[in-house]
Amino acid sequence: DVKVTQSSRYLVKRTGEKVFLECVQDMDHENMFWYRQDPGLGLRLIYFSYDVKMKEKGDIPEGYSVSREKKERFSLILESASTNQTSMYLCASSETYTQYFGPGTRLTVL
Amino acid sequence: GQQLNQSPQSMFIQEGEDVSMNCTSSSIFNTWLWYKQDPGEGPVLLIALYKAGELTSNGRLTAQFGITRKDSFLNISASIPSDVGIYFCAGQLHDYKLSFGAGTTVTVRA
Repeated sequence: DVKVTQSSRYLVKRTGEKVFLECVQDMDHENMFWYRQDPGLGLRLIYFSYDVKMKEKGDIPEGYSVSREKKERFSLILESASTNQTSMYLCASSETYTQYFGPGTRLTVL
Repeated sequence: GQQLNQSPQSMFIQEGEDVSMNCTSSSIFNTWLWYKQDPGEGPVLLIALYKAGELTSNGRLTAQFGITRKDSFLNISASIPSDVGIYFCAGQLHDYKLSFGAGTTVTVRA
């Protein structure tokens, strides 16, 4: 079975802090994705990566950056957290079209 | 991303009922996927559809890829309490990115 893990289930940070969200997949997938999920808006793509050291912007990249130094790991970085980044963050990986999701990190920025 | 219109936004089910939800888009998709998300968890893939007109079942779930490739529906037969959750449709247009609907929240009717 595909397993996608995220470093934290719940996180509370203060405005202005630098925040790292980590995602690891164990199926040697090429593609990895970061989404944020807000009520009534579904899942919105922040960034994705097709290969190590590769990254491409999704639909809402502002305020975020990513890092993919190893194939299995994809990190989402909030350089200076703001209250409007309070959300559920979901990581996913895929080999083709079917994406497999981690359990999510619920981030609260105070 | 491409806009997917998912309806209904929410529904109440009574055990034993058949329920239906659908997604439409102004764009043609190559693949349609249906996911379910339990509270506090990441979405889990239910059914994947790859060809126009395709009808696929997974237990009590049935999904169809519309002939026009712009829509898909998901039916749940003989619903049970564990069917509650949020159901998402997702369409794949090109490369490996998905566009998601806003979700249908299924709740048990008291």
